[in-house]
Amino acid sequence: AQSVTQLDSQVPVFEEAPVELRCNYSSSVSVYLFWYVQYPNQGLQLLLKYLSGSTLVKGINGFEAEFNKSQTSFHLRKPSVHISDTAEYFCAVSEWNNNDMRFGAGTRLTVKP
Amino acid sequence: NAGVMQNPRHLVRRRGQEARLRCSPMKGHSHVYWYRQLPEEGLKFMVYLQKENIIDESGMPKERFSAEFPKEGPSILRIQQVVRGDSAAYFCASLGTSGRRTYNEQFFGPGTRLTVL
Repeated sequence: AQSVTQLDSQVPVFEEAPVELRCNYSSSVSVYLFWYVQYPNQGLQLLLKYLSGSTLVKGINGFEAEFNKSQTSFHLRKPSVHISDTAEYFCAVSEWNNNDMRFGAGTRLTVKP
Repeated sequence: NAGVMQNPRHLVRRRGQEARLRCSPMKGHSHVYWYRQLPEEGLKFMVYLQKENIIDESGMPKERFSAEFPKEGPSILRIQQVVRGDSAAYFCASLGTSGRRTYNEQFFGPGTRLTVL
């Protein structure tokens, strides 16, 4: 079964600084990868997803992620963050041959002025 | 096209009462997932259902919790004899298919925040 590890539970950064949120996965088959964002007291919203093709995926709000098969990673990046990016970010993995999705524990991004 | 709907958004129960959480998937979606998010914790998978079938309930507590997704109507997550530790946000997500192809993106509802007094 697939699993996901988000290496940082909290990431504080200053506004306009770059940020990287780390995600590693484990699976014995091909996978699909996702990043979701959760703003306070709201549900999860899809930021971006990797299904196939180019390993660099661009999402909403200026975020991007790179799929690295050899390192089994799917790190999320943004070159310059805003206060409004303060939220919880979840990495998720789904195996190609089933519909189950597993989530990481989440990374709380706090952007300071 | 309405998104995933959950109701109620907030639910308060006293210990020992029953909680019923409802989820209406996106139109045309026949797969529903339930997740629990405890305070300051991540999202934990509970159960995966298709219409009238439980596909995977490996994340469901063995007692007091049950889920269904009938042929007609919303999916229901039922918690009997609630305890304080059941206080959490419960999220529903739905997933669509087209013919034999399944789209793996799950669409989430806004959640039901259960508080057990």
